[in-house]
Amino acid sequence: GENVEQHPSTLSVQEGDSAVIKCTYSDSASNYFPWYKQELGKRPQLIIDIRSNVGEKKDQRIAVTLNKTAKHFSLHITETQPEDSAVYFCAASRGNTDKLIFGTGTRLQVFP
Amino acid sequence: DTGVSQDPRHKITKRGQNVTFRCDPISEHNRLYWYRQTLGQGPEFLTYFQNEAQLEKSRLLSDRFSAERPKGSFSTLEIQRTEQGDSAMYLCASSLNGYTEAFFGQGTRLTVV
Repeated sequence: GENVEQHPSTLSVQEGDSAVIKCTYSDSASNYFPWYKQELGKRPQLIIDIRSNVGEKKDQRIAVTLNKTAKHFSLHITETQPEDSAVYFCAASRGNTDKLIFGTGTRLQVFP
Repeated sequence: DTGVSQDPRHKITKRGQNVTFRCDPISEHNRLYWYRQTLGQGPEFLTYFQNEAQLEKSRLLSDRFSAERPKGSFSTLEIQRTEQGDSAMYLCASSLNGYTEAFFGQGTRLTVV
């Protein structure tokens, strides 16, 4: 079945450094790739998403890259801040015909 | 509040009892998902609806689980004969379609004792 692998499971960075989280997916028909941030005790919230017709998307300090050939996509956070500390989940779906499959999450800790 | 709402927020039940959760999606959203999340894991897909039609149910879901969305608006998830392994956060999400952001509710935390 469909599978999304996510690495690393934990990531600690110093404030101001960059953080990179990587995901690979198994279903070559996947064409929609969102990233969610979940703070402790709160609901997952979308921070950025990308569709398969583009290779990169940026939104201020956050960027996502997609390599469809290799079936992997990555989240890049630059100039990290303590409030970026949370669990980040990647997900993949076939878009209009399918559900979201989530990765296992990355706990990001940003130290002041 | 115009977001996704779930009720109850917390539920403690004895093993063997039945429980039912409710999800009210964002009003114009056609698609509604149910996920289960255990500590340290990502949301695990359970089932989803397009309007009132249940389009897919996870193979991991036992027959004790059933979901409905009778009028294409709110949805209920029922777990019969609960087991301790059912203890988890049950998340509901809705979206306009499969290509747009899925908004999550706050979840229902189930504890089976």
